[in-house]
Amino acid sequence: DGGITQSPKYLFRKEGQNVTLSCEQNLNHDAMYWYRQDPGQGLRLIYYSQIVNDFQKGDIAEGYSVSREKKESFPLTVTSAQKNPTAFYLCASSGTGAGNEKLFFGSGTQLSVL
Amino acid sequence: QKEVEQNSGPLSVPEGAIASLNCTYSDRGSQSFFWYRQYSGKSPELIMFIYSNGDKEDGRFTAQLNKASQYVSLLIRDSQPSDSATYLCAVNRRANNLFFGTGTRLTVIP
Repeated sequence: DGGITQSPKYLFRKEGQNVTLSCEQNLNHDAMYWYRQDPGQGLRLIYYSQIVNDFQKGDIAEGYSVSREKKESFPLTVTSAQKNPTAFYLCASSGTGAGNEKLFFGSGTQLSVL
Repeated sequence: QKEVEQNSGPLSVPEGAIASLNCTYSDRGSQSFFWYRQYSGKSPELIMFIYSNGDKEDGRFTAQLNKASQYVSLLIRDSQPSDSATYLCAVNRRANNLFFGTGTRLTVIP
């Protein structure tokens, strides 16, 4: 089945620790995105990538890092510099160009601080 | 002015009624508009998209777009308890990514 796979479903971070969230897609989409959702809030864009080996900061990139070495994969690292990391993290992908902006989401990762 | 604004709700309607969800946006250059449904603890799923002024219907859902007023809405006819969810409005930005509103929580009362 085509889709987006995020792992793990739940993740716990200790103080000062970096953690990496995985996102893989087999939809052959060029663009991939990471959003953060806090309780009762909308989605805020962390990073996005429209092509392999290139990515751009979104609205709340501080304390996060990404890589895009393969078309299918867009991992997100939550670094120790992110002081309030507890949130629901959503990875998405889409085509590129006008009419192809529809986002398809993975099932999400809930990150909590120990 | 926020990029995308939605009534936070919650909005309650009786089963069988029409639910009306509203969204305004600030960037006049936006061309694409989306409605996502999100159940509690789940990821958003796309239910409607609209690019042109006017109405677009898909089953019980109708999206309405008025670019002059920078307004997009979603109507749900014959509301069902299974429609109870948070509805997110999303608008494309010039940088080719989507900006989401904070969502409107809808409860359909049996």
